[in-house]
Amino acid sequence: DVKVTQSSRYLVKRTGEKVFLECVQDMDHENMFWYRQDPGLGLRLIYFSYDVKMKEKGDIPEGYSVSREKKERFSLILESASTNQTSMYLCASSPLGKLNYGYTFGSGTRLTVV
Amino acid sequence: DQQVKQNSPSLSVQEGRISILNCDYTNSMFDYFLWYKKYPAEGPTFLISISSIKDKNEDGRFTVFLNKSAKHLSLHIVPSQPGDSAVYFCAASATDSNYQLIWGAGTKLIIKP
Repeated sequence: DVKVTQSSRYLVKRTGEKVFLECVQDMDHENMFWYRQDPGLGLRLIYFSYDVKMKEKGDIPEGYSVSREKKERFSLILESASTNQTSMYLCASSPLGKLNYGYTFGSGTRLTVV
Repeated sequence: DQQVKQNSPSLSVQEGRISILNCDYTNSMFDYFLWYKKYPAEGPTFLISISSIKDKNEDGRFTVFLNKSAKHLSLHIVPSQPGDSAVYFCAASATDSNYQLIWGAGTKLIIKP
């Protein structure tokens, strides 16, 4: 069973803090993604990565950065958290060139910035 | 420009009846479509998919229909059960985009007892 693990289910951070969200997958997938989900807006892609040390901006990268030093781990960094970054953050992975079952998602991290 | 649209933010259906969730797309290059289900405080989980070479795919209570000429797909759930209450996302991809998924905004399905 493919597993995508996000390090925290719930986080509360203060405005201006640097925040790290960690994601680990155990199926040797090449592709990894970070989304945020907000009511009425669906899933919005923040960043994605096709390989180690590679990263591509998604639709809403402002205020975020990512790191992929190892194939299994994809980190999302909020450089200086703001209240408008309060959201549900979802990590996903998929194998390169295969989409039979789409992406596999983690359980999500509910981040609240106060 | 939204390439995948789910125009109904929510849908309420009586238990035991059929639920029909709709999705429209604009990009004619899309050739694979998926439906995901999401419960609160959980990540989305894959439900069912369809390739553009088919017009129907069935898996138990779930059937997806694809109308390529209308650029429309729908998910039918019959009979609807209380556990089906969730947000349903439609997603599409094109082979030449490295299978990157483009997502709809989701439809919240509420099954009434």
